Amino acid sequence: GAVVSQHPSRVICKSGTSVKIECRSLDFQATTMFWYRQFPKQSLMLMATSNEGSKATYEQGVEKDKFLINHASLTLSTLTVTSAHPEDSSFYICSAIGENGQYFGPGTRLTVT
Amino acid sequence: GDSVTQMEGPVTLSEEAFLTINCTYTATGYPSLFWYVQYPGEGLQLLLKATKADDKGSNKGFEATYRKETTSFHLEKGSVQVSDSAVYFCALSEGTGNQFYFGTGTSLTVIP
Repeated sequence: GAVVSQHPSRVICKSGTSVKIECRSLDFQATTMFWYRQFPKQSLMLMATSNEGSKATYEQGVEKDKFLINHASLTLSTLTVTSAHPEDSSFYICSAIGENGQYFGPGTRLTVT
Repeated sequence: GDSVTQMEGPVTLSEEAFLTINCTYTATGYPSLFWYVQYPGEGLQLLLKATKADDKGSNKGFEATYRKETTSFHLEKGSVQVSDSAVYFCALSEGTGNQFYFGTGTSLTVIP
């Protein structure tokens, strides 16, 4: 079946630094990928829709200058958390649209100290 | 807009007990409905899905039936195991290329 990977799976960074998270569709091409954020013991909230070759569409309340999304190819989307702060600590999950549905990555746990 | 309301947890059951996790939805169109499971420290895994009214999704002993008249998609399992301990999310999507709307998740703990 379709597989979506994320890298890294866990990352710890210092406040003020930037962190890049990769989302790859391993055996299919995805023109659309979604980025979700999950707070502890809460549901997933959509952050943005990433479309290959065009600018991402951000949900209301999500700072586009803080959460930079680049969908550089049909198999790769990246989320960069710029000038990270402790409140950005969360579980970030991507999903990719394939022929037979939407597939989720395993998630990236970001901890900002 | 679209939304999913899910039974709040946490839920604690003894092994071999019957499980029901309620899920109701609001949608503007004709969504597909899903149950995802998240084991500790891991990402989401699709458990089952149903794409139209009266469809029943099933997997690993879990079942859920798409009830349009009650806008529900309750998850059931006849006999839970310790290995079923996880967080379960109900979700809907209005189309293959569209975003998912998730419920808040229900934490299940099964004790021996």
